[in-house]
Amino acid sequence: DTAVSQTPKYLVTQMGNDKSIKCEQNLGHDTMYWYKQDSKKFLKIMFSYNNKELIINETVPNRFSPKSPDKAHLNLHINSLELGDSAVYFCASSPSSAGHEQYFGPGTRLTVT
Amino acid sequence: LAKTTQPISMDSYEGQEVNITCSHNNIATNDYITWYQQFPSQGPRFIIQGYKTKVTNEVASLFIPADRKSSTLSLPRVSLSDTAVYYCLVGDGPYNQGGKLIFGQGTELSVKP
Repeated sequence: DTAVSQTPKYLVTQMGNDKSIKCEQNLGHDTMYWYKQDSKKFLKIMFSYNNKELIINETVPNRFSPKSPDKAHLNLHINSLELGDSAVYFCASSPSSAGHEQYFGPGTRLTVT
Repeated sequence: LAKTTQPISMDSYEGQEVNITCSHNNIATNDYITWYQQFPSQGPRFIIQGYKTKVTNEVASLFIPADRKSSTLSLPRVSLSDTAVYYCLVGDGPYNQGGKLIFGQGTELSVKP
């Protein structure tokens, strides 16, 4: 049983394209997140949604737009992709917006050429 | 959120006990200490969380001295499958704001036969 799933697992695309990454959790959690992990392995939070409402919006280019159709899904849409967007993107969820125990998905490796 | 410092890498052999120490000199009164484990090509996984003294679960132990300016993650009798990156995080969980996790560079543990 996959708790937090992401699609696709790999995404290779050219500069300037628009792409989306989907995330779904079947844990019944209220809060979902998007993280970016760069080549140096640093994990940085991008967004957080609690019950479909945006609660964390870090300094991220507005080319990145999250969307939560329901509390089990949090998708990430990226417009006008740039080389620097190449990274692994992780989705995560937690029972509530408090606490440090988060459940991460397997990641989506995005490569922009 | 308090900054953490941990060794960049550590080597060990199968069957040994591994202790990874994290420094967090400016930890706040209401901050908790949390450790995550990340295997290659996977998302981080919650290991353990504590506030003071000692916490133990089926995976690891967490030792926190009285001044709480450091903490030590102890992995008993490691195996090759414990090879991973271990992240120490400090924040005001379980009441932190919006579930925001700040990951540092982590400690890359390599377990050899």
